Amino acid sequence: QKEVEQDPGPLSVPEGAIVSLNCTYSNSAFQYFMWYRQYSRKGPELLMYTYSSGNKEDGRFTAQVDKSSKYISLFIRDSQPSDSATYLCAMISLTGGFKTIFGAGTRLFVKA
Amino acid sequence: DAGVIQSPRHEVTEMGQEVTLRCKPISGHDYLFWYRQTMMRGLELLIYFNNNVPIDDSGMPEDRFSAKMPNASFSTLKIQPSEPRDSAVYFCASSRPLQEQYFGPGTRLTVT
Repeated sequence: QKEVEQDPGPLSVPEGAIVSLNCTYSNSAFQYFMWYRQYSRKGPELLMYTYSSGNKEDGRFTAQVDKSSKYISLFIRDSQPSDSATYLCAMISLTGGFKTIFGAGTRLFVKA
Repeated sequence: DAGVIQSPRHEVTEMGQEVTLRCKPISGHDYLFWYRQTMMRGLELLIYFNNNVPIDDSGMPEDRFSAKMPNASFSTLKIQPSEPRDSAVYFCASSRPLQEQYFGPGTRLTVT
């Protein structure tokens, strides 16, 4: 079993839709949670970074962490064609040193 | 800052040849990471350094792979001999402790 599970998609939605992206994990020592966005032929870029359970909002993006269920989500409101990219969840466990574990990434297509 | 710099951007080589990938991290970043990305396996951490010292190389697939960081501003990933299954995009990333990782543009390696 992988430490971090993420549905690779692809996920196709119409413009304006609410998108929900999710990851589950098995290591309860993960303490820092991130979402990266990767456009085609580019390196990943940080989108959201959270530490504790709960919600964090930044514009149209909301990151949600539920440590009790070992489940994290990224919501995109009013999705735009420019949101079309691969979204990777990532987690850090301090017990394993500063090692970031990435999910497989979900490919998202937003149709105009 | 110019960001993380990687060279070459593209590399095409024949099986059995030596391949050297280069990375210049962002100045002031203590951590440097090497990743490999493929459609099948997603983003895999190969090795990471802290203050030029290799901390975890458990992701290095075989002895054919080696990485060095002779100083704070330069790192190499070498594959010798290369094989077709090494074809992938190789990313270098750097960061400060527990901060976001900044990825380079990647090197697209094709081994024929």
